[in-house]
Amino acid sequence: AQSVTQLGSHVSVSEGALVLLRCNYSSSVPPYLFWYVQYPNQGLQLLLKYTSAATLVKGINGFEAEFKKSETSFHLTKPSAHMSDAAEYFCAVTEGTGGFKTIFGAGTRLFVKA
Amino acid sequence: EPEVTQTPSHQVTQMGQEVILRCVPISNHLYFYWYRQILGQKVEFLVSFYNNEISEKSEIFDDQFSVERPDGSNFTLKIRSTKLEDSAMYFCASSSSENYGYTFGSGTRLTVV
Repeated sequence: AQSVTQLGSHVSVSEGALVLLRCNYSSSVPPYLFWYVQYPNQGLQLLLKYTSAATLVKGINGFEAEFKKSETSFHLTKPSAHMSDAAEYFCAVTEGTGGFKTIFGAGTRLFVKA
Repeated sequence: EPEVTQTPSHQVTQMGQEVILRCVPISNHLYFYWYRQILGQKVEFLVSFYNNEISEKSEIFDDQFSVERPDGSNFTLKIRSTKLEDSAMYFCASSSSENYGYTFGSGTRLTVV
């Protein structure tokens, strides 16, 4: 069965600094991996997805993530944080066969300081 | 851009009452899901629905819960007899492929009193 662990429930960065949100996954078959963002009082929005093509995936709003099979990781990065990036970020995994269920990590709240 | 629409945005109900949460998925999507998020906690999978039947469900999705796609456009979640612990934000999602990523609605905040 698949699972996702997000390291750090809260991350705080200064505006303009690098954003790094960590995600490790567990899956018995090749996974499909996703990052979603949730702004206050809104639903989840897909940021980017890894579906076994390129290991470095670019998403919306300048975010990208790298799939590292050897480390079972899929960390989310952005070179320069904006105030508007403040939100909750969820890593998620779907198993590659019959993936009718996507499991979400506990989430990491990103704070951006001026 | 196509959206998943959920109604109502807020619902308050008395314990023991039945509630129906409604969703209109994106029209050409084939896979439908319900998730819930208790305040301050993680997003939990409830059920997936494909080809007019439940594909997978979690332990949370017990006999009190049911889903239906009554008319080819709506997708509903019914809770037969609500409990206090059912209070949560309920999200509907749809996708064109099971591994493509989901489009989520804005959620229904259910409060059971």
